[in-house]
Amino acid sequence: LAKTTQPISMDSYEGQEVNITCSHNNIATNDYITWYQQFPSQGPRFIIQGYKTKVTNEVASLFIPADRKSSTLSLPRVSLSDTAVYYCLVGDRGKLIFGQGTELSVKP
Amino acid sequence: GAGVSQTPSNKVTEKGKYVELRCDPISGHTALYWYRQSLGQGPEFLIYFQGTGAADDSGLPNDRFFAVRPEGSVSTLKIQRTERGDSAVYLCASSGNRGDTQYFGPGTRLTVL
Repeated sequence: LAKTTQPISMDSYEGQEVNITCSHNNIATNDYITWYQQFPSQGPRFIIQGYKTKVTNEVASLFIPADRKSSTLSLPRVSLSDTAVYYCLVGDRGKLIFGQGTELSVKP
Repeated sequence: GAGVSQTPSNKVTEKGKYVELRCDPISGHTALYWYRQSLGQGPEFLIYFQGTGAADDSGLPNDRFFAVRPEGSVSTLKIQRTERGDSAVYLCASSGNRGDTQYFGPGTRLTVL
């Protein structure tokens, strides 16, 4: 299973755009890239998923270069409520393999 | 509509006791997953059900852990002879089918004294 590497923590301020990059050098052909968000004392919540190029939804954008060895989650104009742990996952969308995630702290 | 629910929300038990954790998936979801999350770590896969059968139980740490889903809906995770190292948040997720987006419940926090 492909292993992911992402920053342990990031700080930002309200209104800024936040980009969290995840490395997955040995991603397999069938693997999708999925991002989850987790608040304290809650289960993870699906944010976005993609296979290649760019995916955008009402919450975030996901940028995937042609070699698919990395991906970037982009959160536009973050607010204090975006403070959470963000997980990058790579796999076949069945059994999810979580890493340690990136703890994003948004400050006023 | 209702999301995934888990009961109890908190469970405190003593070492050596037996516990059962319950998961009610989203209605109609055929796939159900159990994960375990220790403090400061990401969730760790335990077992996956497709319908009533356990399709992948490779994440169960040992034979003290067992899970069932007899009617293809509610699932119960059972832990025998609990140990202090079993203390964690146990998360349940369901999806329409394998590979679809997984929706997680709030988890059950298990504390083994």
